[in-house]
Amino acid sequence: AQSVTQLGSHVSVSEGALVLLRCNYSSSVPPYLFWYVQYPNQGLQLLLKYTSAATLVKGINGFEAEFKKSETSFHLTKPSAHMSDAAEYFCAVTSQGGYQKVTFGTGTKLQVIP
Amino acid sequence: DSGVTQTPKHLITATGQRVTLRCSPRSGDLSVYWYQQSLDQGLQFLIQYYNGEERAKGNILERFSAQQFPDLHSELNLSSLELGDSALYFCASSVRTEPTYEQYFGPGTRLTVT
Repeated sequence: AQSVTQLGSHVSVSEGALVLLRCNYSSSVPPYLFWYVQYPNQGLQLLLKYTSAATLVKGINGFEAEFKKSETSFHLTKPSAHMSDAAEYFCAVTSQGGYQKVTFGTGTKLQVIP
Repeated sequence: DSGVTQTPKHLITATGQRVTLRCSPRSGDLSVYWYQQSLDQGLQFLIQYYNGEERAKGNILERFSAQQFPDLHSELNLSSLELGDSALYFCASSVRTEPTYEQYFGPGTRLTVT
């Protein structure tokens, strides 16, 4: 069984401040982990993914995430928030079995305050 | 634009009715996935097809069915609709099924059951 927990359904940061969105996973097998972003009235877009290569993963739009097995975490960070980062972010986990086993977190809405 | 198209964008129908949602994957992608996003259940995997064959089922109700046609487009059929079926339905596609291949999401179909 696998699961994902996203801490904080809403996060607010000031423009230029650090963005930190938390994700903890549970998986009985080595996981693949993803962060997706969803802008209003749009589908999901992949930000980055961890597939057992480097533990520090860099994605699009300046985001990165670090896989920490000991903490079962995959937190998403960005050094400096932009107004355009306001969106909903989803963490997801799957196993090497494929996407059919993907489990999504409940999402975190990021608000960027000017 | 992900290259995945979904029609219609919006659909309003009554309880007990049947609807068909259509998805055209990105050119070259053989795998299609259907997801449901609702306030109650969050984002859930429904079903996956690969090159015309069903590969995996997730939390898909028996009232729902899907198929992938020889031209690789897919349709999701929802019947005996209930109020609780109101949700955003996303289609995604990927070249293959392994998680190392990115999934591309369509813009979704918003279904409202009244």
